[in-house]
Amino acid sequence: EAGVTQFPSHSVIEKGQTVTLRCDPISGHDNLYWYRRVMGKEIKFLLHFVKESKQDESGMPNNRFLAERTGGTYSTLKVQPAELEDSGVYFCASSHRTGLATDTQYFGPGTRLTVL
Amino acid sequence: EDQVTQSPEALRLQEGESSSLNCSYTVSGLRGLFWYRQDPGKGPEFLFTLYSAGEEKEKERLKATLTKKESFLHITAPKPEDSATYLCAVPPTGSARQLTFGSGTQLTVLP
Repeated sequence: EAGVTQFPSHSVIEKGQTVTLRCDPISGHDNLYWYRRVMGKEIKFLLHFVKESKQDESGMPNNRFLAERTGGTYSTLKVQPAELEDSGVYFCASSHRTGLATDTQYFGPGTRLTVL
Repeated sequence: EDQVTQSPEALRLQEGESSSLNCSYTVSGLRGLFWYRQDPGKGPEFLFTLYSAGEEKEKERLKATLTKKESFLHITAPKPEDSATYLCAVPPTGSARQLTFGSGTQLTVLP
């Protein structure tokens, strides 16, 4: 069974540009999560989808970040315009069943974003 | 405020030298404590979930235990391939749909 995949693995952009990250969850997983790790900090929650619906956006840092999950399959996270502090590693995770945190979340390899 | 604190930050062991990693947490109504392993350049890889005090789980050279305030990840006779960052995470108080992570313990096992 394929795991969570993320694209691209690395992205280097200039401040003010736009970047779109993609996540493909494990097939059949209704729950999809985005997390971020900035340099020297812990992994932090960004948001949670159940199918195509946003259930919790409490971790999104500001309105420059837009996440979508059209059709309840893959998800995209767009940063527009990117700022220096957006640099970090963005992880996607997915889980099966009810979406309660006690369900095991399986993580993708991450996208390393560098904003210059 | 919910907190997850891991110690030590870094640990260097000789191959075969057993030790333990600590994860202490302050959340109300724990609904699971998760251990993950993360290798450089990769995402966290799930190891264990513990739900109640006294629970133990084992996988190869790893054993995770849970009390009401902390969890331990015991590593018995480690090998160089056990070198990685070990992360623990819990659902924060009042939320069942996200994980709060500790900062991790970077384990290096020398041959």
